[in-house]
Amino acid sequence: GENVEQHPSTLSVQEGDSAVIKCTYSDSASNYFPWYKQELGKRPQLIIDIRSNVGEKKDQRIAVTLNKTAKHFSLHITETQPEDSAVYFCAGYTGTASKLTFGTGTRLQVTL
Amino acid sequence: DTAVSQTPKYLVTQMGNDKSIKCEQNLGHDTMYWYKQDSKKFLKIMFSYNNKELIINETVPNRFSPKSPDKAHLNLHINSLELGDSAVYFCASSSLDRNTGELFFGEGSRLTVL
Repeated sequence: GENVEQHPSTLSVQEGDSAVIKCTYSDSASNYFPWYKQELGKRPQLIIDIRSNVGEKKDQRIAVTLNKTAKHFSLHITETQPEDSAVYFCAGYTGTASKLTFGTGTRLQVTL
Repeated sequence: DTAVSQTPKYLVTQMGNDKSIKCEQNLGHDTMYWYKQDSKKFLKIMFSYNNKELIINETVPNRFSPKSPDKAHLNLHINSLELGDSAVYFCASSSLDRNTGELFFGEGSRLTVL
């Protein structure tokens, strides 16, 4: 089955700096890679996703890159703001198994 | 309009008791899930139902029994609760027809076993 590893587990950046979170996956059949943001006490919510036929996708201050050959994908947040502080989860989706497997999460702290 | 709703939001109970959590989605999705989030924030899939049929059953103790009366509802019953069952349980739904794994989560049910 799919195994998704995520690094780092915690990340602290100053407001205005960039943050990068990296994930690797094991199942070459995975074809969809979403990123979820979970604020304290709230539900995880999708912030950006990428499909296996695309190498990069950007939405304002967030972007995701995918390297299918190396089986890794990354989340990039630029010009970080205090409201970006949350736990971020990457995930890999295998259509044949109809299953979304989450990484272990990264707690991002944006300091003033 | 709440897309995925689950009740109760908080549940405090003694070891050995039996409890249920209910989930409903009004998104017209055909697939529903239960995830467990422990104190370390790991999100682990427990079960998945597609049109009322069980399609994913991870290594979860038999004390956990999901039930899907229709494709808009997925309930979770837990027997003989143990301390290690304390966690936040998230219900979620998605549409497999769109060949996407995007999940819509409920607000979570925080279970505390004393």
